[in-house]
Amino acid sequence: KAGVTQTPRYLIKTRGQQVTLSCSPISGHRSVSWYQQTPGQGLQFLFEYFSETQRNKGNFPGRFSGRQFSNSRSEMNVSTLELGDSALYLCASSFETNPETQYFGPGTRLLVL
Amino acid sequence: AQSVSQHNHHVILSEAASLELGCNYSYGGTVNLFWYVQYPGQHLQLLLKYFSGDPLVKGIKGFEAEFIKSKFSFNLRKPSVQWSDTAEYFCAVTLNQAGTALIFGKGTTLSVSS
Repeated sequence: KAGVTQTPRYLIKTRGQQVTLSCSPISGHRSVSWYQQTPGQGLQFLFEYFSETQRNKGNFPGRFSGRQFSNSRSEMNVSTLELGDSALYLCASSFETNPETQYFGPGTRLLVL
Repeated sequence: AQSVSQHNHHVILSEAASLELGCNYSYGGTVNLFWYVQYPGQHLQLLLKYFSGDPLVKGIKGFEAEFIKSKFSFNLRKPSVQWSDTAEYFCAVTLNQAGTALIFGKGTTLSVSS
């Protein structure tokens, strides 16, 4: 079974731009969560989607948003990029009968210049 | 706010040495506990998890962890490390009241010399 895939793997943007990252969960998984990983703050939860609905949200500004499609694929968007948004963005998926066990993708590394 | 503390930022061991990585969490309610590992250039992988039952849980690659509720701890152990265990290790919890959002510790980098 294929794992969680994320595209693109690397991205360079400039301040003020916006970016969209994509995540395809493991087949059959309907829950998708997003995390930000930085050297200073570590791994922080952004949000979780299940059946196209945001089920949980972390403590991030409104510039960070996401959505989930009917095929469970998810996208996250960051608008008005800031230098501090440079990070590895990780997506994780889980099966509805075992939602706590999350499987992570390789991440998208975003560099904001 | 709830948090997870990993006491060791960087641990350096020789092959065959024993390993114990500390993890404490600050939350008085029911938690689920996890250890994840990130090998160089690879994605986060689940090592082991504890939801309930026997507080000593065994995971992949010979790792085990013990949940001590009175100490709010979930330490990771391995009796004999190998060079291939070189990686970053993350302790994480989910709070039953907060769904599946993982709260991670800052991680411990383990370097094993052969």
